[in-house]
Amino acid sequence: KNEVEQSPQNLTAQEGEFITINCSYSVGISALHWLQQHPGGGIVSLFMLSSGKKKHGRLIATINIQEKHSSLHITASHPRDSAVYICAVRSNTGNQFYFGTGTSLTVIP
Amino acid sequence: DAGVTQSPTHLIKTRGQQVTLRCSPISGHKSVSWYQQVLGQGPQFIFQYYEKEERGRGNFPDRFSARQFPNYSSELNVNALLLGDSALYLCASMTGATYNEQFFGPGTRLTVL
Repeated sequence: KNEVEQSPQNLTAQEGEFITINCSYSVGISALHWLQQHPGGGIVSLFMLSSGKKKHGRLIATINIQEKHSSLHITASHPRDSAVYICAVRSNTGNQFYFGTGTSLTVIP
Repeated sequence: DAGVTQSPTHLIKTRGQQVTLRCSPISGHKSVSWYQQVLGQGPQFIFQYYEKEERGRGNFPDRFSARQFPNYSSELNVNALLLGDSALYLCASMTGATYNEQFFGPGTRLTVL
C-alpha cells in the first residue's frame, strides 16, 4: 500500500481546459509538495503547503489536512504544461519523504 | 546563481561493481537529500543529510550509503550493484532540515548491465 496515492494516472486535455489532479495520503505530514517533472528527469518544485491554498500564475494548490487530501489545479491549460505531476509528503515522524507515482498530463493544441 | 548540480550525468556499470554519485547543493543550502526513481515510478527517498549528519533514511539496503562534506556537497555510494539499481538518482537541497522547499538537481542516470 502506497502512503501517497494520485489520480488520475494519465490525463489528456485540450488546450484551454481546466485540469485537476488529486492526491490522497495516509500518514501524518508536516508538509505536502507538488512537483513537475519533464521528460529527461528534471524536477521542479511547484508548491509546498501545509494548510489552505496557494496560487502561482495559472496553478492553484489546495490541501485539506483533516481529509488528508490535496488537489492541483491548472487553469487555461497549455501544451507546455505537458509533464508528469508528482505529489510528495514529508511525514511528521521519522523525517521520511513519500512520493506518489505521478500523473502524466498531455495537453493537446 | 547555480542550481543543484550532479555528476556524472550518465553512468553504466556491471553487476557487482560499486558506484559513487556526487551532488553539490545550492550555495547556502545545508541539507541534501537523495532519491531513487525507477523508470515509470515516482521517486523513493534514500537519505537526508543536514549539517553533515544523517537526518533521515528510507527503506534501502545497507549497500546504499552516503555522506556530506564540510562544504555541504554529498556523495551517494552503492556497493555490489544489482540490475534493479538501474534508475535515475536525484539529489535535492534545501536551506534547513525541514519545512523548506526542495530544489532538485538534474539527476544521474545509472544503468547496471
